[in-house]
Amino acid sequence: RKEVEQDPGPFNVPEGATVAFNCTYSNSASQSFFWYRQDCRKEPKLLMSVYSSGNEDGRFTAQLNRASQYISLLIRDSKLSDSATYLCVEGSSGGSYIPTFGRGTSLIVHP
Amino acid sequence: DGGITQSPKYLFRKEGQNVTLSCEQNLNHDAMYWYRQDPGQGLRLIYYSQIVNDFQKGDIAEGYSVSREKKESFPLTVTSAQKNPTAFYLCASSYRQGGDSYEQYFGPGTRLTVT
Repeated sequence: RKEVEQDPGPFNVPEGATVAFNCTYSNSASQSFFWYRQDCRKEPKLLMSVYSSGNEDGRFTAQLNRASQYISLLIRDSKLSDSATYLCVEGSSGGSYIPTFGRGTSLIVHP
Repeated sequence: DGGITQSPKYLFRKEGQNVTLSCEQNLNHDAMYWYRQDPGQGLRLIYYSQIVNDFQKGDIAEGYSVSREKKESFPLTVTSAQKNPTAFYLCASSYRQGGDSYEQYFGPGTRLTVT
C-alpha cells in the first residue's frame, strides 16, 4: 500500500522566518510529486510540482531526494498569508493516475 | 473561465435520505475523482473515473455511487447505507502534463451534514 507521511505540526514561526517541511513516500516507482496548499475549510490548491533537479518559485523551493524517498518544501521570508496546511502528494500512473495524499503539515505564521 | 464547480456548497439532510452532489468541469480533463475529507484527516478516495462510462471504486466506496455519462460531469450519490456521511466532499479532475506526469485540480467542495 502506497503511503505518504508528513509531520502534522503545527509549525509556529514568526514572520520573516524560513521554514522547511519534509515528506516521505513509500512507492519507489513514483514518478511525480507535488505540494498543495489547503486553507481552512477550502479545497486544496496546487502550489508546485517537484522536479528531480529541484525547483523554485519565488519564496518557495521544492526538492526531491529519490535515494531517501522524501520531498521537501522550503518557504523563505514567511508571510502571515502563508498560514495554511501543506499537503504532500505522490502520483504514480501505470495507466490510471491515482495520487496519494499526505495528511498535511499545518503552518502558522505569527506577527 | 475554466474550472471545476461543485454544488451546493453546503447541504443538510436527514438520516436515511439519499443525496446527490454535483461536480462539473469545463477543463476537458479525462479523469475525475471524488474524495472525502474529515476534520484533521487526509483525503480519502471514494471513486474515480478515467473515461466516460467507466469508473472504479476507491478506498472507501461503500455507501456511495457515481455515474459518468458525460466527460464534464461526475455526480456522487451518498446513499442511506453510508454510515457516517457527514464530511467535506471534494471533486477533482486531472490531465496528463507530459510523459508520466499529471496534474490534479479540485473543485471548491460540498460540506454535507446529515442529522
